[in-house]
Amino acid sequence: DQQVKQNSPSLSVQEGRISILNCDYTNSMFDYFLWYKKYPAEGPTFLISISSIKDKNEDGRFTVFLNKSAKHLSLHIVPSQPGDSAVYFCAASVSGTSYGKLTFGQGTILTVHP
Amino acid sequence: NAGVTQTPKFQVLKTGQSMTLQCAQDMNHNSMYWYRQDPGMGLRLIYYSASEGTTDKGEVPNGYNVSRLNKREFSLRLESAAPSQTSVYFCASSDLGLAGPYEQYFGPGTRLTVT
Repeated sequence: DQQVKQNSPSLSVQEGRISILNCDYTNSMFDYFLWYKKYPAEGPTFLISISSIKDKNEDGRFTVFLNKSAKHLSLHIVPSQPGDSAVYFCAASVSGTSYGKLTFGQGTILTVHP
Repeated sequence: NAGVTQTPKFQVLKTGQSMTLQCAQDMNHNSMYWYRQDPGMGLRLIYYSASEGTTDKGEVPNGYNVSRLNKREFSLRLESAAPSQTSVYFCASSDLGLAGPYEQYFGPGTRLTVT
């Protein structure tokens, strides 16, 4: 039972354009969401997060949008750069627990072409 | 400040052999985690330790054991390796606050092949 799903295995975008990565979840208890970026042969690195009390969070070129009614979040990267080419994972958690366990999606491979 | 370190980086085992993957963090985090990453599956939680002295099963614990040796170190043991345990293993750590869960910091991973 995949509680967090990234239905697009890959996305190809031209440099300078917008990249939109999508994520859906089924567990209504999730109230904290994160995006991670992973380069080959490295561990995932934290990118941006959002709490369910917000519907948008921005950090430079990265914006995460949360639609609680649709159980959907998206990551927008504007403008996209070749260095953004990586695998992007969304993750979800239930706050207030004592262990901060994350449930990850399958990942989306983003390729930004020069 | 090295963050999260893992050893070894690569390992090849024969079916039935045992090994221990080591993980250490220098961020004074309370919580530590072990994940495996397989193609098309994302990262799946094997075991976690909310704090020193406690460990709990995650999503895919079968075939693994863990030890939280102290606050810094969290090891993962494969007692009798199977080809299905061929994967990339990541250790992570995080701290928790009143605001809720914080992001996890990951090590560079161990690529394990079981033949």
